Amino acid sequence: ELKVEQNPLFLSMQEGKNYTIYCNYSTTSDRLYWYRQDPGKSLESLFVLLSNGAVKQEGRLMASLDTKARLSTLHITAAVHDLSATYFCAVDTRFRGSNYKLTFGKGTLLTVNP
Amino acid sequence: DTEVTQTPKHLVMGMTNKKSLKCEQHMGHRAMYWYKQKAKKPPELMFVYSYEKLSINESVPSRFSPECPNSSLLNLHLHALQPEDSALYLCASSQGGTGAYEQYFGPGTRLTVT
Repeated sequence: ELKVEQNPLFLSMQEGKNYTIYCNYSTTSDRLYWYRQDPGKSLESLFVLLSNGAVKQEGRLMASLDTKARLSTLHITAAVHDLSATYFCAVDTRFRGSNYKLTFGKGTLLTVNP
Repeated sequence: DTEVTQTPKHLVMGMTNKKSLKCEQHMGHRAMYWYKQKAKKPPELMFVYSYEKLSINESVPSRFSPECPNSSLLNLHLHALQPEDSALYLCASSQGGTGAYEQYFGPGTRLTVT
């Protein structure tokens, strides 16, 4: 069964610092997703990475995908308090024939402190 | 319209009640999903309807009953739930068909079982 492992699971950062969240997955996949979730809210799509070597940036967040290493990273640059949230990576997994489901990592709870 | 809507936003029900959650999309998607998310956990798939054909996660108890009246609507009928069923229920939709496609999530229904 597919495993999706995120680390760290908890991350406390100071404003202005940089850090990287890692997402490893155990089977071949050409597509990986990053989501943000605020407390009590739904998932907000951040990035859809569709191929090996894909790199996408939005504001202070940058995501990359290495399908050969089965690794994606979410890099945070000069963190600000508004980035405090839980971040999930997810991978498409075949389910019951031709269907696909998302298999999520456990999530990284990011807290950015002043 | 790139939105998935869910009603109600919040639901409190007793263990003997019958209630339903509703989900709607008007993106022409042919696959719709129910995910369950317990507190501080990642979402887990419960059901998929693809071209109105149901696929079930076999770990989901029978007190949850999905229904797909047409390709735009998805219901989740709830009966005789337990307190441990309290969670955020997320609906998603995707293009459907052969292959994996990005899933678009609704705002969720926060369910509390008393």
